[in-house]
Amino acid sequence: RKEVEQDPGPFNVPEGATVAFNCTYSNSASQSFFWYRQDCRKEPKLLMSVYSSGNEDGRFTAQLNRASQYISLLIRDSKLSDSATYLCVVSPAVENNDMRFGAGTRLTVKP
Amino acid sequence: SAVISQKPSRDICQRGTSLTIQCQVDSQVTMMFWYRQQPGQSLTLIATANQGSEATYESGFVIDKFPISRPNLTFSTLTVSNMSPEDSSIYLCSVAKRLAGHTDTQYFGPGTRLTVL
Repeated sequence: RKEVEQDPGPFNVPEGATVAFNCTYSNSASQSFFWYRQDCRKEPKLLMSVYSSGNEDGRFTAQLNRASQYISLLIRDSKLSDSATYLCVVSPAVENNDMRFGAGTRLTVKP
Repeated sequence: SAVISQKPSRDICQRGTSLTIQCQVDSQVTMMFWYRQQPGQSLTLIATANQGSEATYESGFVIDKFPISRPNLTFSTLTVSNMSPEDSSIYLCSVAKRLAGHTDTQYFGPGTRLTVL
């Protein structure tokens, strides 16, 4: 079993749609959780951290369920510019020298 | 965040040769990392570049193939030695930075796209 698993997609949605991605992780001792965004031929960029209480940043909402070991990302009112690959990242430590990356979920937002 | 540059941005190399990739960050950082990302795949950690000591390599990666230097807190190099076509990949450096709430995360350089013929 992979340490971090994501549905690879692709997810093809129209502009304005709401889309949700899930990610599961195998290490129950994991402490830090993130969503990164990676555009085609670019480096991954931090989108948001994921906190136990859940957190929201504009149109993006991240949730963490420790009991079930999954993380979710919800994107509301999708924009064309949201098209990218979204990477789920998990670390067993708060001090981050051991990040494990999911393979990514590809999203395409269409006009 | 951190501003990270990598050189070269891309290269095409002949098998059997070696390529050294440079990573420069705009501030002093304790932790620097080197990753590889093959087409359609996620990131695989090659090693952690430690300042003042040898790099720490992940399973499947060895110093003879991927020697790393870390002469100071803002710079590191990764060499891909005796290259074969299987080494064709994107190589990314990253640095760990402290976020609010005492959690570290990583910021990535733009990557080096390597093609080995």
